[in-house]
Amino acid sequence: RKEVEQDPGPFNVPEGATVAFNCTYSNSASQSFFWYRQDCRKEPKLLMSVYSSGNEDGRFTAQLNRASQYISLLIRDSKLSDSATYLCAVNRAGSARQLTFGSGTQLTVLP
Amino acid sequence: NAGVTQTPKFQVLKTGQSMTLQCAQDMNHNSMYWYRQDPGMGLRLIYYSASEGTTDKGEVPNGYNVSRLNKREFSLRLESAAPSQTSVYFCASRAGYETQYFGPGTRLLVL
Repeated sequence: RKEVEQDPGPFNVPEGATVAFNCTYSNSASQSFFWYRQDCRKEPKLLMSVYSSGNEDGRFTAQLNRASQYISLLIRDSKLSDSATYLCAVNRAGSARQLTFGSGTQLTVLP
Repeated sequence: NAGVTQTPKFQVLKTGQSMTLQCAQDMNHNSMYWYRQDPGMGLRLIYYSASEGTTDKGEVPNGYNVSRLNKREFSLRLESAAPSQTSVYFCASRAGYETQYFGPGTRLLVL
């Protein structure tokens, strides 16, 4: 089993839609969780950290489910500019300094 | 602040040639990382350096060497390039256990 797994998509949604991505992780001892956004041919950039109680940043909501070992990202009122690949990252088993990244979920928001 | 910078942006090598990818950060971060990103494989850690003077292998270290020249700079060397090393290489830095910040990447083609 991969340490971190994501549905690769692609997710094609109309503008204004709500879309959710999940990311499962295998190390139950993981403590740090992040969502990154990567535009085509660019570097990954932090979208948001994921906290135990869940957190929101504008149209974006991140949740952590420790019991089922997954994190989620919810995007409300999708914009064309949200089209990108979304990567989840979890600190690596046995090493808090290393992050393991999922392969990414591709989102295309259609006009 | 420039953040994380990488040189070169693009490089074409012939099999067997050597080259060094340069990375520098001006955020005073202790930890630095080298990743490669291939289609469908996500980001895979090659080497990392938790602090100046230390380096450790990541998930895919074979065929690479690194040098943590000082706190700012972390270079990646390919001694004898192979077509399997065709990839996009990202350098990243991190303060403590928080998020990683990525450089713009180096696109490498090995013929």
